[in-house]
Amino acid sequence: DVKVTQSSRYLVKRTGEKVFLECVQDMDHENMFWYRQDPGLGLRLIYFSYDVKMKEKGDIPEGYSVSREKKERFSLILESASTNQTSMYLCASSSLAASAVRKQFFGPGTRLTVL
Amino acid sequence: KNEVEQSPQNLTAQEGEFITINCSYSVGISALHWLQQHPGGGIVSLFMLSSGKKKHGRLIATINIQEKHSSLHITASHPRDSAVYICAVRYEIQGAQKLVFGQGTRLTINP
Repeated sequence: DVKVTQSSRYLVKRTGEKVFLECVQDMDHENMFWYRQDPGLGLRLIYFSYDVKMKEKGDIPEGYSVSREKKERFSLILESASTNQTSMYLCASSSLAASAVRKQFFGPGTRLTVL
Repeated sequence: KNEVEQSPQNLTAQEGEFITINCSYSVGISALHWLQQHPGGGIVSLFMLSSGKKKHGRLIATINIQEKHSSLHITASHPRDSAVYICAVRYEIQGAQKLVFGQGTRLTINP
């Protein structure tokens, strides 16, 4: 079974803090994705990575950065958290090209609250 | 057979035409997403549905849970609506959430 794990299910941070969200997959997938999901807005892509040290901006990259130092791990970084970054963050991985429309395997999500 | 099937795969229409894109799925789902992907690659979520109908501007999405079918309608289509439209279904398997995407429908609206 493909397993995508995220470091925390719930996280509460203060405005201005630096926040790290970690994602690990165990299927040797090339592609990894970070999404945020908000009520009424659905799923929005923040960043994706198609290889180690490679990254591409998604639809809403502002205020975020990512790091992919190892194939199995994709980190999302909020340099200075703001209240409008309160959201559910979902990590996903897949073995096919990021631009292709295929199956992605999702982690359980991290619900981040910024106070 | 894929769990999510979209039709048509390609659609070309004239500006102003009413557009329908269909999505059929074969699993029990918790939610269905309609996504839009423009040539630059960015993906925008248009709708998330679990029942009924949602409307946003000229876009309307409907879902029939019993029939396992959803449609995306675009009224008064415009060239800027040209994009790939993607249906994705979310369901839970063995405690993990899974999101499965359709193959996409490439829509071209000519002026």
